Amino acid sequence: NAGVTQTPKFQVLKTGQSMTLQCAQDMNHNSMYWYRQDPGMGLRLIYYSASEGTTDKGEVPNGYNVSRLNKREFSLRLESAAPSQTSVYFCASSETVGQPQHFGDGTRLSIL
Amino acid sequence: KQEVTQIPAALSVPEGENLVLNCSFTDSAIYNLQWFRQDPGKGLTSLLLIQSSQREQTSGRLNASLDKSSGRSTLYIAASQPGDSATYLCAVRLRGSGGYNKLIFGAGTRLAVHP
Repeated sequence: NAGVTQTPKFQVLKTGQSMTLQCAQDMNHNSMYWYRQDPGMGLRLIYYSASEGTTDKGEVPNGYNVSRLNKREFSLRLESAAPSQTSVYFCASSETVGQPQHFGDGTRLSIL
Repeated sequence: KQEVTQIPAALSVPEGENLVLNCSFTDSAIYNLQWFRQDPGKGLTSLLLIQSSQREQTSGRLNASLDKSSGRSTLYIAASQPGDSATYLCAVRLRGSGGYNKLIFGAGTRLAVHP
């Protein structure tokens, strides 16, 4: 009954380091999403994958890359972390685009 | 560009009160609107989803309404309880290719219900 699982839950990085956030879903969903949530702002879409083998940019893609490794997994990579990328990152999935999204518990990322 | 605004940003009420959370959006060409609950340190849990053709949806003590023409939605919580304390977010899904794939979120209303 896991739903959407994100790892790690917390991470502290130094400016310039790289890191990959992992997301896996066990609901056989086709579509997956990465959001970031900053204080006083709503969630903003970074990238999404409508189906296995496809990825598209969201509102705030700069500084990030994604990989849809298979139907279950969708990873988010920061190649050279910057303090402006300090945020809480959420992964979500849905049966198809347009269907209700199910969210993971988030990864809290601090970049010093 | 679609913007979603939630007022108030924070709300504190005594247990038992009926309360209304507001959400407004600038572009009425939406596919649907969704209300979420977020507990501290947790992800989002979907509460209610209203399609653009619908006026309201109900689940237990929760009732969400949608007025597309005025760009507004309200979430009504009846007989509030301390367990309702959380942040409530609304999000709209736009019509049209591209937009259909995305949710646009408000910043949320942080609700505290005290005994």
